[in-house]
Amino acid sequence: DAKTTQPNSMESNEEEPVHLPCNHSTISGTDYIHWYRQLPSQGPEYVIHGLTSNVNNRMASLAIAEDRKSSTLILHRATLRDAAVYYCILRPPQGGSEKLVFGKGTKLTVNP
Amino acid sequence: DTAVSQTPKYLVTQMGNDKSIKCEQNLGHDTMYWYKQDSKKFLKIMFSYNNKELIINETVPNRFSPKSPDKAHLNLHINSLELGDSAVYFCASSDRAVGNTIYFGEGSWLTVV
Repeated sequence: DAKTTQPNSMESNEEEPVHLPCNHSTISGTDYIHWYRQLPSQGPEYVIHGLTSNVNNRMASLAIAEDRKSSTLILHRATLRDAAVYYCILRPPQGGSEKLVFGKGTKLTVNP
Repeated sequence: DTAVSQTPKYLVTQMGNDKSIKCEQNLGHDTMYWYKQDSKKFLKIMFSYNNKELIINETVPNRFSPKSPDKAHLNLHINSLELGDSAVYFCASSDRAVGNTIYFGEGSWLTVV
């Protein structure tokens, strides 16, 4: 399974943007970059995913480096509810391995 | 309506007992999973079923036996519970044909005493 590297923890202030980095230098050409987050005492939830181009949705934006060896999850205005552990995960294309391999993730603390 | 629901949410039981955790999804997905999150918060896949067929079994002790009566249900039965089985167990589902997004339940907190 391809590996990702994330900082153990990050801190932000409410209503400020947050940039969560992820390194994946061994990514294969067909791997998608997925982000999930786990709020306290809840199951993980999907945030966003992308392949090569930057992606936006109602929750966040995903910026993918041109060489695809790193990516950044962007929360445009952090709220207290965004405090969670954020996981960056590589997945093969649709129809590939069903596994979602979680690393340690980044624990995001949002200060009021 | 909860998309992926698990019962019970909390379970405290003695060593040696046998217990089951049930999972149901109402998303029409064809693939279901069980994940385990231990005290160090690592999330690891245990099993995956596609259309009631086992497709992933990640070196889990034989005391753990998943059962999928239909595509919408995946239950986890654990025999002879041990202290080390204490963890949070998450059920999840996805649709292979649509994409790779996986939807998780809220977890079942198992404590073995």
